[in-house]
Amino acid sequence: QVQLVESGAEVKKPGASVKVSCLASGYTFTSNYIHWVRQAPGQGLEWMGVINPSDDTKSYAQKFQGRVSMTRDTSTSTVYMDLSSLRSDDTAVYYCARAHSGYDFFDYWGQGTLVTVSS
Amino acid sequence: QSALTQPRSVSGSPGQSVTISCTGTSSDVGGYNYVSWYQQHPGKAPKLMISDVSLRPSGVPDRFSGSKSGNTASLTISGLQAEDEADYYCCSFAGSFTVVFGTGTKVTVL
Repeated sequence: QVQLVESGAEVKKPGASVKVSCLASGYTFTSNYIHWVRQAPGQGLEWMGVINPSDDTKSYAQKFQGRVSMTRDTSTSTVYMDLSSLRSDDTAVYYCARAHSGYDFFDYWGQGTLVTVSS
Repeated sequence: QSALTQPRSVSGSPGQSVTISCTGTSSDVGGYNYVSWYQQHPGKAPKLMISDVSLRPSGVPDRFSGSKSGNTASLTISGLQAEDEADYYCCSFAGSFTVVFGTGTKVTVL
């Protein structure tokens, strides 16, 4: 069965960086794009960007350009999301989600990783 | 890219129908048939309820249906049940390799 398993919760200080991983299993890793979506406490879902594990192409939301980097390791079927220059308003649950085909819809989600930014 | 507009909340009694609107522009909702809907219970990851405007994935009850007219998509829950109480988000492809979510709607079963 398809599974996306994310890394554990993180606590970071303002200005630091965080790297969240998403381990995919149960399907051919290079066949589906992986998107990242975040949700601040009590707020809605916010799309951050996407990576195509097949050819390593990426697209990021304008809001995160220059601060976010998405990478993949095909040997371990893992996608990473790196967010730098953290601020308190980056405190959120970060989800990875598998797209059925490119940008159509998200059929599987990770369990979410809470990133807390606090001095 | 601005979030798609959804009502903050809707409510209904068990057995009633509720409809959630999702308003965007011709650059997102109106321009593509890649509108999807997600249900989220507190503390849980979102769950796909509707894909491609109106397709219901296997396992999703048939009381959930989706549609679109112009720049507005809609999710209708017919025969509301207690377990349908949750937050609902629409989502659309927005061109230029980007995606946008709706602001979210809290559904309350009275």
